[in-house]
Amino acid sequence: GQQVQQSPASLVLQEGENAELQCNFSTSLNSMQWFYQRPGGSLVSLFYNPSGTKQSGRLTSTTVIKERRSSLHISSSQTTDSGTYLCAMEGNTGYQNFYFGKGTSLTVIP
Amino acid sequence: GGIITQTPKFLIGQEGQKLTLKCQQNFNHDTMYWYRQDSGKGLRLIYYSITENDLQKGDLSEGYDASREKKSSFSLTVTSAQKNEMAVFLCASSRTAEQYFGPGTRLTVL
Repeated sequence: GQQVQQSPASLVLQEGENAELQCNFSTSLNSMQWFYQRPGGSLVSLFYNPSGTKQSGRLTSTTVIKERRSSLHISSSQTTDSGTYLCAMEGNTGYQNFYFGKGTSLTVIP
Repeated sequence: GGIITQTPKFLIGQEGQKLTLKCQQNFNHDTMYWYRQDSGKGLRLIYYSITENDLQKGDLSEGYDASREKKSSFSLTVTSAQKNEMAVFLCASSRTAEQYFGPGTRLTVL
């Protein structure tokens, strides 16, 4: 079954609105990471967040390991935030296995 | 800081052809990874390597070979390209569980 579920699958915002992206994991995890990807581009790491809350500018990531979930909050969205947001988890089976969600496609319109 | 480079950027092959993709990193990271990204399916792990000359299979290793010639480089070989195959192959490296990605190689098989 799918290890990582992301929601919503897609989201359209008016510039200035806030967004909350969710990531839920079906198994226990050691750590997780949020990435940003432009169409045709590579993955840019936003947060490596094993647990707790981290903030960088308008972005805030909160991971609750015990509840197997993580969220990414984008405040005051801008058109340049448009793209795909991916989350990935590292399982705790004793070797470095990583599983990615299918991503949330975000479009911010002016 | 550091950088991951992947060559070639675009790769066009014929059905049944053996194709090799290359990845170099100057982070001095121990672990390197190869992922395949298909539209609508997210990223899937093909191979990873925790040190020079080490190879570990991911969930998608069938149909691929890999080689970790030295710490800084990791190659992936598609052993027999499948007709109409289209995907992006992404290389990543890490010291701990936090991964950094290269720009990708886009494969098209005619």
